[in-house]
Amino acid sequence: AQSVAQPEDQVNVAEGNPLTVKCTYSVSGNPYLFWYVQYPNRGLQFLLKYITGDNLVKGSYGFEAEFNKSQTSFHLKKPSALVSDSALYFCAVRDLDSWGKLQFGAGTQVVVTP
Amino acid sequence: DAGVIQSPRHEVTEMGQEVTLRCKPISGHDYLFWYRQTMMRGLELLIYFNNNVPIDDSGMPEDRFSAKMPNASFSTLKIQPSEPRDSAVYFCASSFLGQGRETQYFGPGTRLLVL
Repeated sequence: AQSVAQPEDQVNVAEGNPLTVKCTYSVSGNPYLFWYVQYPNRGLQFLLKYITGDNLVKGSYGFEAEFNKSQTSFHLKKPSALVSDSALYFCAVRDLDSWGKLQFGAGTQVVVTP
Repeated sequence: DAGVIQSPRHEVTEMGQEVTLRCKPISGHDYLFWYRQTMMRGLELLIYFNNNVPIDDSGMPEDRFSAKMPNASFSTLKIQPSEPRDSAVYFCASSFLGQGRETQYFGPGTRLLVL
């Protein structure tokens, strides 16, 4: 079965500092990996995805993610965090048994302080 | 485009009552997903449709839950009878194959409280 793990419940960072949200995955075969963000009282929003190709994927709002096959990781990064980046971030992997179905991680709360 | 539309946004009901949640996907999208989000269980996929046909309903918790998609523009999730443990935020999302079915657009959610 496919799964993702987000080892941190919360990440605290000062505005202007780099932000990293960690995700590791477990899949059989080639992974299809995703990041979504949820702002308070809102639905999830797609940020970026890795299907194949370049290990560094660029997405919305200045976010990027690095796919590392040897470490089975797909960490989300932003060089300079903004207070408005405070939100709940979800890593997800496509379910190989039921295409279209995503397995979401538990989520990481990001708090950016001024 | 208005995005995915869900109604109602908030619902408070008493145990035993029937609850119907509604969703209008983005026009042209051929996949529709129903999710439930709680603090305890996180985000769970309940069911998803492709071209109005249910593809995977393995996440539907019990027979009290049912979902329909009578046409490409409308879907319902019904709980009958409702129980306090059904209290959660229910999200509808849609996507289309051409953009990657996993690039899902979520609605604002329906916050359900069963007393």
